[in-house]
Amino acid sequence: QLQLQESGPGRVKPSETLSLMCSVSGGSISSSGYYWGWIRQPPGKGLEWVGTIYHSGSTYYNLSLKSRGTIFVDTSKNQFSLKIKSVTAADTAVYYCARHPVRALTDWYFDLWGRGTLVTVSS
Amino acid sequence: QSVLTQPPSVSAAPGQRVTLSCSGNSSNIANNFVSWYQQLPGTAPKLLIYDNDRRPSGIPDRFSGSKSGTSATLGITGLQTGDEADYYCGTWDSSLSAYVFGAGTKVTVL
Repeated sequence: QLQLQESGPGRVKPSETLSLMCSVSGGSISSSGYYWGWIRQPPGKGLEWVGTIYHSGSTYYNLSLKSRGTIFVDTSKNQFSLKIKSVTAADTAVYYCARHPVRALTDWYFDLWGRGTLVTVSS
Repeated sequence: QSVLTQPPSVSAAPGQRVTLSCSGNSSNIANNFVSWYQQLPGTAPKLLIYDNDRRPSGIPDRFSGSKSGTSATLGITGLQTGDEADYYCGTWDSSLSAYVFGAGTKVTVL
């Protein structure tokens, strides 16, 4: 059974770069049928889609990040990563990685989620 | 503030039926598929409904989805204490070029 597991630093200082990794087990990230995404949830608040990558490296980003975010994929390690630069307290959130089937943009949904990892931006 | 509007909370007694609404516009719900997610306390979201009204394998038929115009609805019948959770709707917004979620509805079983 495919599983996703996030890992990250837990705490990042303001203005620095947040780096997170999602490890995929029980299946291949290179599967042609799936995208891989990041979604975050500030404490006590709702969900926000951050961005998505395909194993080929094609990406989609939420423009609300204002070009601060980048997603990478490492098919040899079955992992994908998220980096957000120049972080502020507003980037404090639980970050989830998730899988979603390859479909037209209008038809997206997220069918498998990791447990999430809390990242706190604080000095 | 989300472009998808959900009531903050809904409550009902065990065994009752509840309906959760998700209101949008022509840039999102009206022309795109809607999905629903259940987030139990302290856990990750879980897919409940996709393509407006389809249930993934393993989701009981107590959960149902529908869409009409710019609104979508999640129905839960035979409410159980284990259904206490936050429920989020989600869809693609063509104006924002982003997948968007509603702010969520907290379901309380009285």
